[in-house]
Amino acid sequence: QVQLVQSGAEVKKPGASVKVSCKASGYTFTNHYIHWVRQAPGQGLEWMGWIKPNSGDTNYAQKFQGRVAMTRDPSINTAFLELSGLRSDDTAVYYCARQKNIVVLPTAMGWFDPWGQGTLVTVSS
Amino acid sequence: DIQMTQSPSTLSASVGDRVTITCRASHSISSWLAWYQQKPGKAPKLLIYKASSLESGVPSRFSGSGSGTEFTLTISSLQPDDFATYYCQQYTTYSPITFGQGTRLETK
Repeated sequence: QVQLVQSGAEVKKPGASVKVSCKASGYTFTNHYIHWVRQAPGQGLEWMGWIKPNSGDTNYAQKFQGRVAMTRDPSINTAFLELSGLRSDDTAVYYCARQKNIVVLPTAMGWFDPWGQGTLVTVSS
Repeated sequence: DIQMTQSPSTLSASVGDRVTITCRASHSISSWLAWYQQKPGKAPKLLIYKASSLESGVPSRFSGSGSGTEFTLTISSLQPDDFATYYCQQYTTYSPITFGQGTRLETK
């Protein structure tokens, strides 16, 4: 079955960086965009950006520009999210999600299915 | 950025009720809208895409409608498993992807 499995929880100090992995299985990894979404404790969902696994092209939300990097390694069907300059308000569960539709229109990206199980990143001194 | 506003923020209902959640976009998004269900401690689950297309495996009591700026998610007869938080998401390329703030569906 189609599945995304993320790396485990992390505890980081303010100013540090964190790198979260997302391993895909059950489908052709290079055919589908991967998106990253985070959720602070008790809060809603916040989109961070996407990576196109076949080319490595990325698009980041403006809020994270300059301190986020999304990469991938097609040889191991894995996408990565790295966030630097961590602050306490970066404490959140970070999810990867596969964009289910392969075809991207000029007017629309797509919907997400499935999602990874989430990775809790705690930023605390 | 396109803002997505859901109402209500919390909805109290009983098993068997028909419930409707509304999502309004600050600008037209055509039909580029999805709905997700999230339970505590779990990842979101896709229910509806392209405003009204039911995801495979999702019970038919869930339905979506709307276009432009106003959308609804309806559960025709609420089941115990449906108590959760629901999010809408717009995915046009004219804006970063954005989500509504969520609607918590709780037992009355």
